[in-house]
Amino acid sequence: DGGITQSPKYLFRKEGQNVTLSCEQNLNHDAMYWYRQDPGQGLRLIYYSQIVNDFQKGDIAEGYSVSREKKESFPLTVTSAQKNPTAFYLCASSIVPALASYGYTFGSGTRLTVV
Amino acid sequence: AQRVTQPEKLLSVFKGAPVELKCNYSYSGSPELFWYVQYSRQRLQLLLRHISRESIKGFTADLNKGETSFHLKKPFAQEEDSAMYYCALPPISGGSNYKLTFGKGTLLTVNP
Repeated sequence: DGGITQSPKYLFRKEGQNVTLSCEQNLNHDAMYWYRQDPGQGLRLIYYSQIVNDFQKGDIAEGYSVSREKKESFPLTVTSAQKNPTAFYLCASSIVPALASYGYTFGSGTRLTVV
Repeated sequence: AQRVTQPEKLLSVFKGAPVELKCNYSYSGSPELFWYVQYSRQRLQLLLRHISRESIKGFTADLNKGETSFHLKKPFAQEEDSAMYYCALPPISGGSNYKLTFGKGTLLTVNP
């Protein structure tokens, strides 16, 4: 089945630790995105990547880092510098030339909790 | 700048009543808007696209360029329609930022 897979589904982090959230897609999509979803604040863009080895900051990139070494993979690291990391994180992908026609495909999300 | 506004954070209706989720936008040109839906414990999924002029699960959305709106409507709400709904706007044609702009979402509750 083609799709976009996020893992783990639930993640617990201690204060001061870095954690990495996985996002893999087998849709052959060019672009991948990371969003954070908080109640009442909608979807906020953290980082996005249009091609391999290139990525851009979104609206709330501070305290996060990403890499795009393969077309299929776009892992997100939540660093200890992120002051309020507890949230639901969504990964998405799209076909770049057809974004306006087809939009995004989303993963099922990772819920990160700082303990 | 592109912007999407969903003025209602919460919307509650009774089963069988009409429902309208509002979406207003600011955009240079003729946009192709989207509605996404997130049911409880499920992933965000595309509900409908302006470009395809479709009706999905009884929902329709009409682009009103004069009012810069793309409201989502359903004549008779069902309990299974309870979900979070997001309106989204694609990038400007010819631009370099390949990302959607989302509204803050409306949580629809359909009461029995």
